[in-house]
Amino acid sequence: QSALTQPASVSGSPGQSITISCTGTSSDVGGYNYVSWYQHHPGKAPKLMIYEVSNRPSGVSNRFSGSKSGNTASLTISGLQAEDEADYYCSSYTSSSTLVFGTGTKVTVL
Amino acid sequence: EVQLVESGGGLVQPGGSLRLSCAASGFTFSNYWMHWVRQAPGKGLVWVSRINSDGRSTSYADSVKGRFTISRDNAKNTLYLQMNSLRAEDTAVFHCARGAGSYFNYWGQGTLVTVSS
Repeated sequence: QSALTQPASVSGSPGQSITISCTGTSSDVGGYNYVSWYQHHPGKAPKLMIYEVSNRPSGVSNRFSGSKSGNTASLTISGLQAEDEADYYCSSYTSSSTLVFGTGTKVTVL
Repeated sequence: EVQLVESGGGLVQPGGSLRLSCAASGFTFSNYWMHWVRQAPGKGLVWVSRINSDGRSTSYADSVKGRFTISRDNAKNTLYLQMNSLRAEDTAVFHCARGAGSYFNYWGQGTLVTVSS
């Protein structure tokens, strides 16, 4: 199972909006509404930000939103804040009944 | 409060074995599927394995199939990963994570496994 494709890095100024893409195939992202997103500060436990494409867990800021079109899912962070600087990973259920992560995106707040 | 604490990592020679543990607390462990996810140095997250709530069903990434075995002891609220025939490319931080359908809603901080001679 190949990793889903994400941009290596995305940056933005405080207050701006950024979008991270996550591209897979019809066997994973495109085939199921089972895409999730995780925020990871190195050395810490990853944190669930979005599940099942667009659902936000309790306690996650509404500045984070998710969507999907075809084989590509997206995570949008609006009103970018310094604390949002981290690595972000998408994940999808696959037709092999396994899970696959994206390649990861480093978000930098300028 | 949900807590997942991994242990058992360390330095092991190529071809060697190691058993990781993940102690769970703050929830009814026996109700949840559990997963192992790893991150090699400078690389991204990679799903490794999962086990269902009663331990009877397991699944593995192709890269570890036949070498790693996931198991659990619901009486001890503990998840395990037995790793055999270790290779240099298995060097990584291993996280356990609580499953919720198709996603992971709680994670541990991880334990470092280094495979080197």
